[in-house]
Amino acid sequence: QVQLQESGPGLVKPSQTLSLTCTVSGGSISSGSYYWSWIRQPAGKGLEWIGRIYTSGSTNYNPSLKSRVTISVDTSKNQFSLKLSSVTAADTAVYYCAGLTVTDDAFDIWGQGTMVTVSS
Amino acid sequence: DIQMTQSPSSVSASVGDRVTITCRASQGISSWLAWYQQKPGKAPKLLIYAASSLQSGVPSRFSGSGSGTDFTLTISSLQPEDFATYYCQQANSFPSFGGGTKVEIK
Repeated sequence: QVQLQESGPGLVKPSQTLSLTCTVSGGSISSGSYYWSWIRQPAGKGLEWIGRIYTSGSTNYNPSLKSRVTISVDTSKNQFSLKLSSVTAADTAVYYCAGLTVTDDAFDIWGQGTMVTVSS
Repeated sequence: DIQMTQSPSSVSASVGDRVTITCRASQGISSWLAWYQQKPGKAPKLLIYAASSLQSGVPSRFSGSGSGTDFTLTISSLQPEDFATYYCQQANSFPSFGGGTKVEIK
């Protein structure tokens, strides 16, 4: 059973770059079955899709965040990563990594989420 | 961008009640719609995909229907563990979620 685990700093200063990594266990990130995605959720609010990467390295980003987001994959480590630049307090949220099934376009696996606070 | 609008934003119900949540897409998305359940402090859990397909392990009291722009999630007989927030999600273009529906105890 494939599992996901987010890791990275819980506190980031304004204007700096938020960096998170998602480790895939129990299966290969190169299986081709998933688009590997990042989703975030500010406290008490809804879910916002940030972007996704396929094992080929092709990416798609939410247009509202596109100028600040980079998602990359390291198949040798079975990991994919998120970088969000020029962060502000509005980027404070729980960040989830998730797998979007290629066949059904549904997120059927999720990490537990990691809280990232943007504050000086 | 495809906008997803859920209604109601919250609903109060009792154990055993039938609960229906609606999701409307701003343009047609065929049947590319999923539903999730989220409990406080937890990641969302996939309930329904492709508008009406039940995810493995999800109780049969959950069902989904619809196509095009209008979709529904129905809980046929609400159980104590079903009090949570529910989200719809489309991925016709890039993924987007509805605003959520909180199912609360009446």
